Amino acid sequence: QKEVEQDPGPLSVPEGAIVSLNCTYSNSAFQYFMWYRQYSRKGPELLMYTYSSGNKEDGRFTAQVDKSSKYISLFIRDSQPSDSATYLCAMSASGDYKLSFGAGTTVTVRA
Amino acid sequence: DTAVSQTPKYLVTQMGNDKSIKCEQNLGHDTMYWYKQDSKKFLKIMFSYNNKELIINETVPNRFSPKSPDKAHLNLHINSLELGDSAVYFCASSQRVAADYGYTFGSGTRLTVV
Repeated sequence: QKEVEQDPGPLSVPEGAIVSLNCTYSNSAFQYFMWYRQYSRKGPELLMYTYSSGNKEDGRFTAQVDKSSKYISLFIRDSQPSDSATYLCAMSASGDYKLSFGAGTTVTVRA
Repeated sequence: DTAVSQTPKYLVTQMGNDKSIKCEQNLGHDTMYWYKQDSKKFLKIMFSYNNKELIINETVPNRFSPKSPDKAHLNLHINSLELGDSAVYFCASSQRVAADYGYTFGSGTRLTVV
């Protein structure tokens, strides 16, 4: 079993829809949770960063962490064609150098 | 001014050759990493250096050898290239540990071995 599980999709939605992405993990030591966005032929860029459980909102993006269920989510409201990318969840324990990544979910937003 | 820059962007080479990829960061970060991304987009850590000291050395063939001349530079040398080495290699950096607001990635080096 992988340390971080993420459905690779692909996911195709119409413009304006809500995109819902999620990851589950097995390591209860994970405390820092991130979402990266990767456009085709580019490097991943940090989209959202959260510590421990709770919600965080940034514009159209909302990240949720439920440590009791070992489950994290990313919601994209009013999705745009420019949101079409691969979204990777990542997480680490306190003091760790290593980030553990999910497999990435490829999202296409249709105009 | 690019924060994490890798060269070359593309590398096409024959089996058995030796090649190097270079990475530089101007963020003042202490820690640098090499990740390999396969065709299914999965990112797997290979090596990490903190202030020129090797701190992560995952199960990687001996043909791969990292080198960090200073904390702003991390290079990757690959000997006797094999078809299975074809992938995108990403360099990344963090302030110190991964929890310090994650990594900043370079744009990747797409290696194709023919």
